Amino acid sequence: KNEVEQSPQNLTAQEGEFITINCSYSVGISALHWLQQHPGGGIVSLFMLSSGKKKHGRLIATINIQEKHSSLHITASHPRDSAVYICAVTRASGGGADGLTFGKGTHLIIQP
Amino acid sequence: KAGVTQTPRYLIKTRGQQVTLSCSPISGHRSVSWYQQTPGQGLQFLFEYFSETQRNKGNFPGRFSGRQFSNSRSEMNVSTLELGDSALYLCASSFIGQYNTEAFFGQGTRLTVV
Repeated sequence: KNEVEQSPQNLTAQEGEFITINCSYSVGISALHWLQQHPGGGIVSLFMLSSGKKKHGRLIATINIQEKHSSLHITASHPRDSAVYICAVTRASGGGADGLTFGKGTHLIIQP
Repeated sequence: KAGVTQTPRYLIKTRGQQVTLSCSPISGHRSVSWYQQTPGQGLQFLFEYFSETQRNKGNFPGRFSGRQFSNSRSEMNVSTLELGDSALYLCASSFIGQYNTEAFFGQGTRLTVV
């Protein structure tokens, strides 16, 4: 079982819809990251969270440490939001490879 | 402020050859991490360098190695290339490290092994 699970894997929605992408993790973490990857490969960091909620423009990210769950919301979605959204965690210190551990990503398509 | 720069962007190599990829972090960032992305495995952590020292390493064979220079620029090397090494290789830099600090990614180097 992957240590970071995302759902859904694929999501197609109409422009203007409210989008929710979920991330669950099974390891102790010190931070959770939401990343965006457009075709061509470049990755942009959207949020880094260790508790609570953050908002940037139309994007909102929340995390529940007790439930080991995070959500990324997009309000008033637009075709330019079409991308792969990746959840990643920084493990709490204590061993193992302490780089980022990634989910498989959610492929989002927003249709006009 | 310039972003993270990776060179080259694209590379084609023959099985058995070796390859060196370069990553220039954001000015002032001392941590550079490397990741491999493939369709089957997704994104996987290779290693992290901080102040010229390898601080962490993922589960990759010894053919994958790296180093960091005093100006924080980093290189990764893959020796005896295999077809399965074909992937997008991404580096990310951060001010202190991956621990509770934001990571800034480069555009990646797409390596094709034939």
